[in-house]
Amino acid sequence: GAVVSQHPSWVICKSGTSVKIECRSLDFQATTMFWYRQFPKQSLMLMATSNEGSKATYEQGVEKDKFLINHASLTLSTLTVTSAHPEDSSFYICRPSAGLSTYEQYFGPGTRLTVT
Amino acid sequence: DAKTTQPTSMDCAEGRAANLPCNHSTISGNEYVYWYRQIHSQGPQYIIHGLKNNETNEMASLIITEDRKSSTLILPHATLRDTAVYYCIVFYRDDKIIFGKGTRLHILP
Repeated sequence: GAVVSQHPSWVICKSGTSVKIECRSLDFQATTMFWYRQFPKQSLMLMATSNEGSKATYEQGVEKDKFLINHASLTLSTLTVTSAHPEDSSFYICRPSAGLSTYEQYFGPGTRLTVT
Repeated sequence: DAKTTQPTSMDCAEGRAANLPCNHSTISGNEYVYWYRQIHSQGPQYIIHGLKNNETNEMASLIITEDRKSSTLILPHATLRDTAVYYCIVFYRDDKIIFGKGTRLHILP
């Protein structure tokens, strides 16, 4: 089956710093990348959608200048949390999609961000 | 909003079959039914998906009603490791997946 990796798996950073999270699709080309975040005891919330080589589309309430998404290649997307604050502490999960209706759709293992 | 509704929680005895229901009455003709589960602090794990026909793999079986308005995920012999939150989702290709709250399944020893 498809494999999706995220790096790092967890990160602790100080308030005001920026953090970059990588998502890689290891055995298929992801034309679309979805980024989610999940707060404790809550469900996954879609943050943004990006197509390779295009600007990301953000969901309502998600600050595009704070959460920078780069999808420069078909196997790599990055999410950068800029000027992180404690309220940005969350579990961030990616979902690369090859756009195939019959394909098993996989999610990344997630990145735990803690801002102190 | 999520396109599916699921019970908030369910209990199942270890070794028994766990049957998790899902309603998706507004499903479109080209949308697939997907099931995932999430164990604490991990990304959603793919379980199974289907369009119209019932499906079975090494993890579970998926039963989709003829009108496609509901489905049931069956874990044939539940173990303690199956304790997780189970999400039923309907979507097509690159459609955005909007998660509902899922069903928290407790496997009882």
